[in-house]
Amino acid sequence: SSELTQDPAVSVALGQTVRITCQGDSLRSCYASWYQQKPGQAPVLVIYTKNIRPSGIPDRFSGSTSGNTASLTITGAQAEDEADYYCNCRGSSGNNWVFGGGTKLTVL
Amino acid sequence: QVQLVQSGAEVKKPGASVKVSCKAFGYTFTSNWMHWVRQAPGHGLEWMGVINPTGTGAHYAQKFQGRVTMTRDTSTSTDFLELSSLRSEDTAVYYCARDSSMVEGDRSGWWFDPWGQGTLVTVSS
Repeated sequence: SSELTQDPAVSVALGQTVRITCQGDSLRSCYASWYQQKPGQAPVLVIYTKNIRPSGIPDRFSGSTSGNTASLTITGAQAEDEADYYCNCRGSSGNNWVFGGGTKLTVL
Repeated sequence: QVQLVQSGAEVKKPGASVKVSCKAFGYTFTSNWMHWVRQAPGHGLEWMGVINPTGTGAHYAQKFQGRVTMTRDTSTSTDFLELSSLRSEDTAVYYCARDSSMVEGDRSGWWFDPWGQGTLVTVSS
């Protein structure tokens, strides 16, 4: 079983705000990174460390962390945000990394 | 720009081995660790392991211990993933991804960026 837990699926109405969460004990000492993956494409980094967006990622994407939960928030979701989203953090052994199971985001 | 370019698709028979390459461009190769991640059809991302910047050591996911070897050729800025004793469940897209990290406050953060384009490995008799 994964050390990071995500909801399998989330939906949001076009233009509304959605939060995708990731839970796990390792998040108490590790900032999650977040990846967007569209069908047939490699994952793309969208948020890392405290709340940093790589160049080219729209500012509607933001991240936060509290206790053992990391969140990715999309404020004003667009049709092109429909994708799978994965969180990642270093694992409990210190020499492994773990992905959450992924959340499929549907934009209605 | 920073880019990772992987080798092409492979078809292997059960029991065989496969070696996938990942060539780095646009940055100092020996400054970063490199992760390998795979994704079976219809499934999520699965971390396989990571190799250190000089290629002198690696950490592997327990699931793959004994079957996986990660190596690095610093002269050509290329990383390699070799997986042996292949079975049908190893059919997947294999990705390399560059590691970066930083410490802020009471937490550390690691991230994978960029990713290679992926290499499809099909295991079939």
